[in-house]
Amino acid sequence: NAGVMQNPRHLVRRRGQEARLRCSPMKGHSHVYWYRQLPEEGLKFMVYLQKENIIDESGMPKERFSAEFPKEGPSILRIQQVVRGDSAAYFCASSPLSTDDRYFGPGTRLTVT
Amino acid sequence: GENVEQHPSTLSVQEGDSAVIKCTYSDSASNYFPWYKQELGKGPQLIIDIRSNVGEKKDQRIAVTLNKTAKHFSLHITETQPEDSAVYFCAASMYTGKLIFGQGTTLQVKP
Repeated sequence: NAGVMQNPRHLVRRRGQEARLRCSPMKGHSHVYWYRQLPEEGLKFMVYLQKENIIDESGMPKERFSAEFPKEGPSILRIQQVVRGDSAAYFCASSPLSTDDRYFGPGTRLTVT
Repeated sequence: GENVEQHPSTLSVQEGDSAVIKCTYSDSASNYFPWYKQELGKGPQLIIDIRSNVGEKKDQRIAVTLNKTAKHFSLHITETQPEDSAVYFCAASMYTGKLIFGQGTTLQVKP
């Protein structure tokens, strides 16, 4: 059973471009969570999704950030018009139920130049 | 909102010694408390967790204790080995499923 997969592993974008980060949960997992980790800091919750539904987006910036988890395909975290402050590691986690253990992917390291 | 405080931020021990990391949480509704180990350049790896109906849980050299009255929980690693060196994160969660993480503890085990 493959673990949580994220791609790309590294992404470089210039200021003003769009970044699209993908997350494929573990097989059988229908709950996906996105976290952001700044250098030397802990993980900050961004958004919690189930298939086709956003359950909790209280950690998402109000502008430029969006997330989706379609019926088919991976979950996507989209950042429009990136700025240098968006540079961070973005981790996705999945679980079969909201009360179960979350398993994290290897992360996408976004660098905005 | 929910807040999780983790101490110490760095911890250095000799190989074979024990290491203890402590966390406190603010929301008494929290009912799930996992611990993650993160190695450089990798995602967090779940190492042990505890739920609010249990006071202590052990898995080989790792144990976690929970004191709901005081709203704190701790990670204990015995007989530490160099491969235990990593950043450790505690977290707390309510029924909503959102995990709130502590700030992390960098553990260094000296051979």
